[in-house]
Amino acid sequence: GAVVSQHPSWVICKSGTSVKIECRSLDFQATTMFWYRQFPKQSLMLMATSNEGSKATYEQGVEKDKFLINHASLTLSTLTVTSAHPEDSSFYICSAIAGTAYGYTFGSGTRLTVV
Amino acid sequence: RKEVEQDPGPFNVPEGATVAFNCTYSNSASQSFFWYRQDCRKEPKLLMSVYSSGNEDGRFTAQLNRASQYISLLIRDSKLSDSATYLCAPNSGGYQKVTFGTGTKLQVIP
Repeated sequence: GAVVSQHPSWVICKSGTSVKIECRSLDFQATTMFWYRQFPKQSLMLMATSNEGSKATYEQGVEKDKFLINHASLTLSTLTVTSAHPEDSSFYICSAIAGTAYGYTFGSGTRLTVV
Repeated sequence: RKEVEQDPGPFNVPEGATVAFNCTYSNSASQSFFWYRQDCRKEPKLLMSVYSSGNEDGRFTAQLNRASQYISLLIRDSKLSDSATYLCAPNSGGYQKVTFGTGTKLQVIP
């Protein structure tokens, strides 16, 4: 099966610091990865589409300078939350597709708490 | 209009009941869909794919109604462990973005 490994699972950081979240496709190559954010009791919100070797495509209302995405290889995409604030506290999840038969495989998510 | 729309629920059903919920979609060109389940504070996990011929896997049956542009998920003999939020999404081919609906929350009660 297709596996996407996401780290860290949870992180607590101080306001103003930056946090990097990694997503790796373990047994397939992912030229495209998607980053989502989910607030408690709300739906998954697509933040950006990460493309290997090119710039990410951000959804309307998502600050590209705040949420830095890097997709330098076919198996790794990173999301860096810069100058994090308490309102950035959320559940961040990445996903990729190994093939249409597998659907979208999600990472296990990162629960970010900014204090 | 949103790509997919779902009744957020919650649907509270007794154990052993049959429950069904729908997901309407706006893009008439969509050929297939996915149903996912998401447990509280966890990532979504693929439940099943839905094509024009439908799909059945044990107690779960998914159908695609092109004329009315919705997909359905039927769960028979509900178990307590079926309690989760069920999300639908169109199969965009993997390289185009996909947006999810709000999901439908199911609570199976003893």
